[in-house]
Amino acid sequence: GNSVTQMEGPVTLSEEAFLTINCTYTATGYPSLFWYVQYPGEGLQLLLKATKADDKGSNKGFEATYRKETTSFHLEKGSVQVSDSAVYFCALISRAAGNKLTFGGGTRVLVKP
Amino acid sequence: EPEVTQTPSHQVTQMGQEVILRCVPISNHLYFYWYRQILGQKVEFLVSFYNNEISEKSEIFDDQFSVERPDGSNFTLKIRSTKLEDSAMYFCASSGNGQPYEQYFGPGTRLTVT
Repeated sequence: GNSVTQMEGPVTLSEEAFLTINCTYTATGYPSLFWYVQYPGEGLQLLLKATKADDKGSNKGFEATYRKETTSFHLEKGSVQVSDSAVYFCALISRAAGNKLTFGGGTRVLVKP
Repeated sequence: EPEVTQTPSHQVTQMGQEVILRCVPISNHLYFYWYRQILGQKVEFLVSFYNNEISEKSEIFDDQFSVERPDGSNFTLKIRSTKLEDSAMYFCASSGNGQPYEQYFGPGTRLTVT
């Protein structure tokens, strides 16, 4: 079956620090990969996506590259802000397994001024 | 920007009672989903709905659960007889025909069963 593993948090950083959140997956077939973000008190927002190997998804300064050889989709941001404090979820959809998203456990990120 | 909305934001109910969670998906979307997140655990898929019928459901989605699209805008999740372990955040999501794998989520309904 499908599964997503991401690093446990919380991750605490200072403003302008570099952020990496590791995500690896196992999937049936050829998955599409996603990062969702959940700000305090809000729902899940699609942050970025990649649908094939070597694709790079990017949004709001965040990037993640679909690495088929290492089955990874690590999230990075070069200089975080306090407003990036949130929970980040890595997820995948495998077309061989329908339209359902399979989520990782989430990583809480806290950025301090 | 269009968004998925959910009501209520928080629902408290007694064990054994029926609850209905409501969602208004993005207006031109055709695929609808429910997920849940028990506190401290992963977000889990419950059910997907397309063309007025369930297209897929998880093992969590047993006979106590049902979904309905009663009109052109609402999408509901009903739990017939709630159990303590149904306490969770319930998220509705929708996706469009052109990008069925790009799901947009609502803010969630926190269900507390006492």
